[in-house]
Amino acid sequence: EILMTQSPATLSASPGERVTLSCRASENINSNLAWYQQKPGQGPRLLIYGASTRATGIPVRVSGSGSGTEFTITISSLQSEDFAVYYCQQYNNWPLTFGGGTKVEIK
Amino acid sequence: QLQLQESGPGLKKPSETLSLTCSVSSGSVNSRSYHWGWIRQPPGKGPEWIGSVYHHTGTTYYNPSLKSRVAMSVDASKNQFSLNLTSVTGADTAVYYCAKARSLVPSWFDPWGPGVLVTVSS
Repeated sequence: EILMTQSPATLSASPGERVTLSCRASENINSNLAWYQQKPGQGPRLLIYGASTRATGIPVRVSGSGSGTEFTITISSLQSEDFAVYYCQQYNNWPLTFGGGTKVEIK
Repeated sequence: QLQLQESGPGLKKPSETLSLTCSVSSGSVNSRSYHWGWIRQPPGKGPEWIGSVYHHTGTTYYNPSLKSRVAMSVDASKNQFSLNLTSVTGADTAVYYCAKARSLVPSWFDPWGPGVLVTVSS
């Protein structure tokens, strides 16, 4: 099973700031990585797949990068709707696995 | 736009079998383009993939950690798919989500249903 590790666990930032969240895989997953955003009481929403391809309707201020074992998602200018929990997921191999999440909170 | 909705009992007793259903609208469970997954999320933790089913071939993939207790199936006549989890314990308390993925290859999930909270308690 591939272990996905996200850092930091919590990130405090102000609206308008640029933030970068990290995700590390325990082995090479090529570019088979997705990012999700989750708000309280809701199911996760797909943001990025293929490590860097934005899903339909995702704003350009959200970008993903990386390959192999190291990945990041960057929000170039935090908006109020971006304060949420973010998860990464690998789909290189079964079983599919998720990271433990990064909470982006208002500073 | 395809939508998913989970349904099932919110409270189960230890050792019972949990049965959940996911209803699909604006799309077909019969599609060769998709497979269907169940994911759960214990309170305050990250998601855990439970398993996936591809109706076109009847193929299923289960998380090895749950494989001995899990069964998934598709009912095309009702445009639904289901999850059975046997011998539940408190560790199975979680929000359970159903979701759509690409045809049977390891994939991301999009969209997800709103989720249903299942509590296991005597």
